Amino acid sequence: DVKVTQSSRYLVKRTGEKVFLECVQDMDHENMFWYRQDPGLGLRLIYFSYDVKMKEKGDIPEGYSVSREKKERFSLILESASTNQTSMYLCASRAPDRGYYEQYFGPGTRLTVT
Amino acid sequence: DAKTTQPPSMDCAEGRAANLPCNHSTISGNEYVYWYRQIHSQGPQYIIHGLKNNETNEMASLIITEDRKSSTLILPHATLRDTAVYYCIVRKAQAGTALIFGKGTTLSVSS
Repeated sequence: DVKVTQSSRYLVKRTGEKVFLECVQDMDHENMFWYRQDPGLGLRLIYFSYDVKMKEKGDIPEGYSVSREKKERFSLILESASTNQTSMYLCASRAPDRGYYEQYFGPGTRLTVT
Repeated sequence: DAKTTQPPSMDCAEGRAANLPCNHSTISGNEYVYWYRQIHSQGPQYIIHGLKNNETNEMASLIITEDRKSSTLILPHATLRDTAVYYCIVRKAQAGTALIFGKGTTLSVSS
């Protein structure tokens, strides 16, 4: 089974802090994604990565950056956390020979910024 | 992207088959039907997808009508752990961005 793990289930940070969210997958997938999920807005794509050191902006990249130094690890960075970044953050991975939406998700990190 | 319609809730007895319907009457020829589920406070879980043929995997079966305007996700022997919100989405196969989940169907499995 594909396993995608995220570093924290719950996180509370203060406004202005730099926040690191880590995601690791164990299936050697090239493609990895970061989403945020908010009530009424569904899943919105922040960034995705087709392979190591490659990254592409999604729908809402402002205020975020990413790092993909190793194939199994994809990090999301909130440069200066703000209250409107309070959300559930979800990481996903996908094998490139599968349908684009055949994505495997981690358990999520519920981030609260105060 | 085609819009989907699902019943808001369904109940199922443990051990029985759960049949979850989805209407997608405006689906176009190159759009796939995908099913995900989300258990409370967890990330979404991919279940299955199909274009026009019925599909089966270790989790579920997907039955798509011949006109492709509706489909049914079948969990053959529902367990308590299958209690979740089930989402049917219709998307083209090529890369896109947002995964838009509607309200889905809340399936409650009881013993």
